[in-house]
Amino acid sequence: EDKVVQSPLSLVVHEGDTVTLNCSYEVTNFRSLLWYKQEKKAPTFLFMLTSSGIEKKSGRLSSILDKKELFSILNITATQTGDSAVYLCAVINAGNNRKLIWGLGTSLAVNP
Amino acid sequence: KAGVTQTPRYLIKTRGQQVTLSCSPISGHRSVSWYQQTPGQGLQFLFEYFSETQRNKGNFPGRFSGRQFSNSRSEMNVSTLELGDSALYLCASSLEGIGNTIYFGEGSWLTVV
Repeated sequence: EDKVVQSPLSLVVHEGDTVTLNCSYEVTNFRSLLWYKQEKKAPTFLFMLTSSGIEKKSGRLSSILDKKELFSILNITATQTGDSAVYLCAVINAGNNRKLIWGLGTSLAVNP
Repeated sequence: KAGVTQTPRYLIKTRGQQVTLSCSPISGHRSVSWYQQTPGQGLQFLFEYFSETQRNKGNFPGRFSGRQFSNSRSEMNVSTLELGDSALYLCASSLEGIGNTIYFGEGSWLTVV
């Protein structure tokens, strides 16, 4: 059965810390992996990763995919209280019945 | 450009009733997908509609159904509601479907009592 596992489930850090969130997957016929940030509202898109080893960056956030070891990491440097959210990872399978398989998310709390 | 709009935002229903949720995608987007989010199960894919046709489907019972209209607006229906259907129902739209970036609405919070 296809599955996506995120770790840790929750994390508390202080402003200025760097965090690394993990997402591992077992999906038949992998197509791409996505990261979303969810505060108390709709998830907002962060990154889509399709190729191994190519880092995507957006400000203090970056992400990379390892298709050999079947995982991705999301890094946040110099964290701010506004980074507090649930970070969701999802994998898209290829093939005819294409769907998104979601992890349970990592709840990040950044304290001042 | 307006985002994805879902209505109603909050609703309470009793067991056995049915409910219809509505989603208006971003203008120009032809794909609408639906998700159920609960604390224990996280986000789970329900189905995707593209050009009025159901294109992909998750592993939910037949009580969960949907449709898409010619203007790309979509509705999701849940019949014979159960307590376990209490969840946040999220709709997302994209230009060409799952495989491209999807944009979420604010969701509809359904409580079944």
